[in-house]
Amino acid sequence: DGGITQSPKYLFRKEGQNVTLSCEQNLNHDAMYWYRQDPGQGLRLIYYSQIVNDFQKGDIAEGYSVSREKKESFPLTVTSAQKNPTAFYLCASSPDTLDEQFFGPGTRLTVL
Amino acid sequence: GQQVMQIPQYQHVQEGEDFTTYCNSSTTLSNIQWYKQRPGGHPVFLIQLVKSGEVKKQKRLTFQFGEAKKNSSLHITATQTTDVGTYFCAGPNAGNNRKLIWGLGTSLAVNP
Repeated sequence: DGGITQSPKYLFRKEGQNVTLSCEQNLNHDAMYWYRQDPGQGLRLIYYSQIVNDFQKGDIAEGYSVSREKKESFPLTVTSAQKNPTAFYLCASSPDTLDEQFFGPGTRLTVL
Repeated sequence: GQQVMQIPQYQHVQEGEDFTTYCNSSTTLSNIQWYKQRPGGHPVFLIQLVKSGEVKKQKRLTFQFGEAKKNSSLHITATQTTDVGTYFCAGPNAGNNRKLIWGLGTSLAVNP
């Protein structure tokens, strides 16, 4: 069964802690993305990767870091430098960066 | 920079009424994609339009791409409660970075 998985669905962390969100896809897609969505807001691009071992900053990369060591995986670390990390985080993938994107179910991160 | 704007931001209709959302780009787009996000869910791809003046239908949904390829619309005929959600449009970045530029979305509420 192909798709994108994100875990966990809900995540709680204390302020000042780094946290890593998981994103795995078995669609054999080259491109992967991380978006942040705040209540009533659109999708803001954090980082994207066109191919394994390569990634680029999106519009709001400050306070976040990523890696793309495997084609299937694109984890996102929310660092303590991110001023307001509480949000809904969505991971997506596509065959190429301008193709239809497939989204995971998202992770709701709450920093207390 | 390049912008994709959607109007209206919110729309509240009675079940059975029609609904239209508009997407306007500051630059000519090679294509445009539409997505739907149900409340609490993740965006799901609906359609991609490529040709100038293209019109595509999916049951009660009609998608149009403007002649100048700078605007697009999504029209829903006789809305149902299952149409509730946020509709996003997205188009390719005109610059060197191969990524999509997203509109902020139109949130549709339907009164039964």
